[in-house]
Amino acid sequence: AQKITQTQPGMFVQEKEAVTLDCTYDTSDPSYGLFWYKQPSSGEMIFLIYQGSYDQQNATEGRYSLNFQKARKSANLVISASQLGDSAMYFCAMREMGGQFYFGTGTSLTVIP
Amino acid sequence: IAGITQAPTSQILAAGRRMTLRCTQDMRHNAMYWYRQDLGLGLRLIHYSNTAGTTGKGEVPDGYSVSRANTDDFPLTLASAVPSQTSVYFCASRGTVNSPLHFGNGTRLTVT
Repeated sequence: AQKITQTQPGMFVQEKEAVTLDCTYDTSDPSYGLFWYKQPSSGEMIFLIYQGSYDQQNATEGRYSLNFQKARKSANLVISASQLGDSAMYFCAMREMGGQFYFGTGTSLTVIP
Repeated sequence: IAGITQAPTSQILAAGRRMTLRCTQDMRHNAMYWYRQDLGLGLRLIHYSNTAGTTGKGEVPDGYSVSRANTDDFPLTLASAVPSQTSVYFCASRGTVNSPLHFGNGTRLTVT
């Protein structure tokens, strides 16, 4: 079974609008971490936001927020007020207790002017 | 500048040849990882190491081996390269348990 599932290969959003990128995960560990990364066309991996499995509140970092629904095993990324520079690949990732760090297949986001 | 250095940046390799991708970090991170990135498949974990002297298999370990003789270095070896190992390879490291991964700039490997 896939550890991380991202079902949206590609997404489009109008500039200044909000967009939600979906992510579901699969683990039996009681403690785990969830992460989102951005990969622009230049290829580097940029860390965006982190959510711990025991965190009671959803994580926020500037225009990024993580909609964490533990019972549904989902960790969706919300980007508010999209900018042209947000166009990139976005990866959801999970760190398990044994130290393994798994990534999804990614979502390509295009921001339309 | 602290970070992760990968070498080479790119390489074209004949099938059947042996190749070692180098990865060095200067952040004294305990955990290190190797991923391959292929279009449509995201990043797949090849091998990882939680601390010097230990290694573990990831999702796609076949055809690859690693060693972790010290904290700083985590080389990835392809014993006998095959065309399906054509990919971009990323090395990453992590400090504390809840820390994100820090990535190197990647190695683009083409096996012909």
